Amino acid sequence: GAVVSQHPSWVICKSGTSVKIECRSLDFQATTMFWYRQFPKQSLMLMATSNEGSKATYEQGVEKDKFLINHASLTLSTLTVTSAHPEDSSFYICSARDGLAGGTGELFFGEGSRLTVL
Amino acid sequence: GNSVTQMEGPVTLSEEAFLTINCTYTATGYPSLFWYVQYPGEGLQLLLKATKADDKGSNKGFEATYRKETTSFHLEKGSVQVSDSAVYFCALSPVSGGYNKLIFGAGTRLAVHP
Repeated sequence: GAVVSQHPSWVICKSGTSVKIECRSLDFQATTMFWYRQFPKQSLMLMATSNEGSKATYEQGVEKDKFLINHASLTLSTLTVTSAHPEDSSFYICSARDGLAGGTGELFFGEGSRLTVL
Repeated sequence: GNSVTQMEGPVTLSEEAFLTINCTYTATGYPSLFWYVQYPGEGLQLLLKATKADDKGSNKGFEATYRKETTSFHLEKGSVQVSDSAVYFCALSPVSGGYNKLIFGAGTRLAVHP
């Protein structure tokens, strides 16, 4: 199947700093990418839908100024956690939809990025 | 609203045992239903799906049937292998979403021992 890569796979940062996580579709183009957050032993919670060339759509309760999403190309979306605090520590997962003509419409997931804020 | 409930794990089985992981959902209309699997150190992979009532999704020996009357989509496999050890997620996509905006259950960890 298609491959979605996230980087970094894990990051540790100090409280108050910003962290950027990249999500790349390696062998297909994705007009839509999704960002999820997963707490230990809990479900994946959708944070936002990232659309190439336009503003992201955030789910209710997700702070758009804290979780900045940029989808500047058909193969790259970034999530920036601004002024990170310990409560932002989590596992962040992206997925990309193979939605262009000829694609399957299926969602492909990255391997996740674990953020730890000290 | 839309939600997915899975049986809590971990589920521990011996090789060749029968597997059932229960999944029920709450949704308006007719959602699409999915099972995803996450092997250690890897991203989620689509295992199987069903898009309408009474559909049966199947892949790699796993099966699940979309039961609207019981709002369930239980995952089954007749004979598990050690290589099936992973975390399994049940998910739904609301009527208007297609593959978009998947809503996941909490995941069920399966451990298969030789």
